Amino acid sequence: AQSVTQLDSQVPVFEEAPVELRCNYSSSVSVYLFWYVQYPNQGLQLLLKYLSGSTLVKGINGFEAEFNKSQTSFHLRKPSVHISDTAEYFCAVREAISGGGADGLTFGKGTHLIIQP
Amino acid sequence: ETGVTQSPTHLIKTRGQQVTLRCSSQSGHNTVSWYQQALGQGPQFIFQYYREEENGRGNFPPRFSGLQFPNYSSELNVNALELDDSALYLCASSVPGHDTQYFGPGTRLTVL
Repeated sequence: AQSVTQLDSQVPVFEEAPVELRCNYSSSVSVYLFWYVQYPNQGLQLLLKYLSGSTLVKGINGFEAEFNKSQTSFHLRKPSVHISDTAEYFCAVREAISGGGADGLTFGKGTHLIIQP
Repeated sequence: ETGVTQSPTHLIKTRGQQVTLRCSSQSGHNTVSWYQQALGQGPQFIFQYYREEENGRGNFPPRFSGLQFPNYSSELNVNALELDDSALYLCASSVPGHDTQYFGPGTRLTVL
């Protein structure tokens, strides 16, 4: 079984400032890692994912994340945020299995990113 | 290519009733997963269907059940509704062996 911890429930940051949203996971097997964004009253949209290879992953809307296996972390970063980035951000994990079995995602509780003008 | 759609958008039921939520998968996706997202929480995996059979289940009781149809659309049924079942229910479609799940906008269920 896997678990995901998002260390901050809420992160306020000024517009055009950099931001980092923290995510740590626990798993006894290899995993795939994801970041999703949820705007108010909407479903989830994939920002980026780590499957294998380069530990620095670039996603949509200028976001990037770095996989750190030794620290079991997958922190999300953006060098300069915009008002439109105000949303809930979820880190998720699933087993990196090949074929068979369900691939349900395990999510963290989310981090509310608040952009202040 | 159409995305994942869900109906209805909102639903109000009373405790003890039964409810059916519907999901239409993204074109070409034969796997559907359902999630429950309580207020202020992350989504929790309910179950997954592949080729019309349940393929895996999270920690949810049997009163949560599902169906997947030959056209890959899906239903989530919840019997004997409880107040704690109030949540946003999300479905996500995917293709086996592919890593990404695509989410619908959700159905907001309120149990009074």
